[in-house]
Amino acid sequence: AQSVTQLGSHVSVSEGALVLLRCNYSSSVPPYLFWYVQYPNQGLQLLLKYTSAATLVKGINGFEAEFKKSETSFHLTKPSAHMSDAAEYFCAVIEGRSQGNLIFGKGTKLSVKP
Amino acid sequence: NAGVTQTPKFQVLKTGQSMTLQCAQDMNHNSMYWYRQDPGMGLRLIYYSASEGTTDKGEVPNGYNVSRLNKREFSLRLESAAPSQTSVYFCASRKDRVQETQYFGPGTRLLVL
Repeated sequence: AQSVTQLGSHVSVSEGALVLLRCNYSSSVPPYLFWYVQYPNQGLQLLLKYTSAATLVKGINGFEAEFKKSETSFHLTKPSAHMSDAAEYFCAVIEGRSQGNLIFGKGTKLSVKP
Repeated sequence: NAGVTQTPKFQVLKTGQSMTLQCAQDMNHNSMYWYRQDPGMGLRLIYYSASEGTTDKGEVPNGYNVSRLNKREFSLRLESAAPSQTSVYFCASRKDRVQETQYFGPGTRLLVL
């Protein structure tokens, strides 16, 4: 069965520093992978997704993620954190290739210090 | 184009009361989903509807029922609310293929006393 593990429930960085949010997946088939962001008291918004095209995926707001099959990872990065990046980030994998239900990780809350 | 809308935004219930959470999308999407979000648990799928006229259980369906009223609307019903159902509920929709994006509504915060 597919699953997602996000390492670190809370990550704190200084403004201007590198953001690295870790995601490892387990999947019996080539996965489709997603990163969503949730700002306080809002719904989830797609940041980027991997659907078996380029392994380096660029998303909105300067974020990108690299699919590494050998490491079963899909870590999210941003070169320079901004205060507005403070939010909760969720990694998700598609459950199989039939129904397409998303399996979410438990989330990582990102804090950005001035 | 409003996307995915949910009503109400916030609700307080007493144990044993019933209520229906409403969700509608105006993107002509085929699939619709109900999730609950609890601290430290991520989002867990309650029920989904792959197309109009079909519904299926997700990971945590106990205590809930759903209705896919038409292509636009997908409601979630709590027949007898319990404190364990205190949560934030999100509706989402997706057009067709499994790799397409799911779009989320703003959520309903439910407190069961």
